[in-house]
Amino acid sequence: NAGVTQTPKFRVLKTGQSMTLLCAQDMNHEYMYWYRQDPGMGLRLIHYSVGEGTTAKGEVPDGYNVSRLKKQNFLLGLESAAPSQTSVYFCASSSRDRGSYEQYFGPGTRLTVT
Amino acid sequence: QQQVKQSPQSLIVQKGGISIINCAYENTAFDYFPWYQQFPGKGPALLIAIRPDVSEKKEGRFTISFNKSAKQFSLHIMDSQPGDSATYFCAASRAFGNEKLTFGTGTRLTIIP
Repeated sequence: NAGVTQTPKFRVLKTGQSMTLLCAQDMNHEYMYWYRQDPGMGLRLIHYSVGEGTTAKGEVPDGYNVSRLKKQNFLLGLESAAPSQTSVYFCASSSRDRGSYEQYFGPGTRLTVT
Repeated sequence: QQQVKQSPQSLIVQKGGISIINCAYENTAFDYFPWYQQFPGKGPALLIAIRPDVSEKKEGRFTISFNKSAKQFSLHIMDSQPGDSATYFCAASRAFGNEKLTFGTGTRLTIIP
């Protein structure tokens, strides 16, 4: 099992450019999440999904869009990148089963917006 | 609005010593409290977690102490080793019906020989 994978690992964008980050999980998890990690601010939830075809806003959703067309994939889009979106982005997934609360994280995508 | 406050921001402990990281939460609906460990260049990984029906949980050298009345919980690492050097995040959520984790700001732990 690969667990949670993220593509790409690194990316540099110019202000105003767009891009999509791809997250894939092979654990058949219902829940998927996108976080951003910034120094001194911990991990902040951007958007999340409780199942295929559903998405919801997290703590810091502005400037991002997401889609969950397939259960195993969760896409994060930046339509018009801004320097404030320079960050490390983590995807995570978890099971819906009661008693199984662990979130499994991917290796991260380091994004720089110049 | 930060619902989970974590301290200290950084911590240096000598090998063999005890590392202690503290967290405080505000939302009384939280009933699941995990600690995640993150090594440089990697994603966080679950280290240990506790539900509020117990005041302490121990797994090897790692112990969570939980104080429901004070709305505080802490991570204790006994006999700290250089391999424990990492960033540690506390988090909190409701166990059922709302799986969104609220994370603390992280503690960078360095174990020196």
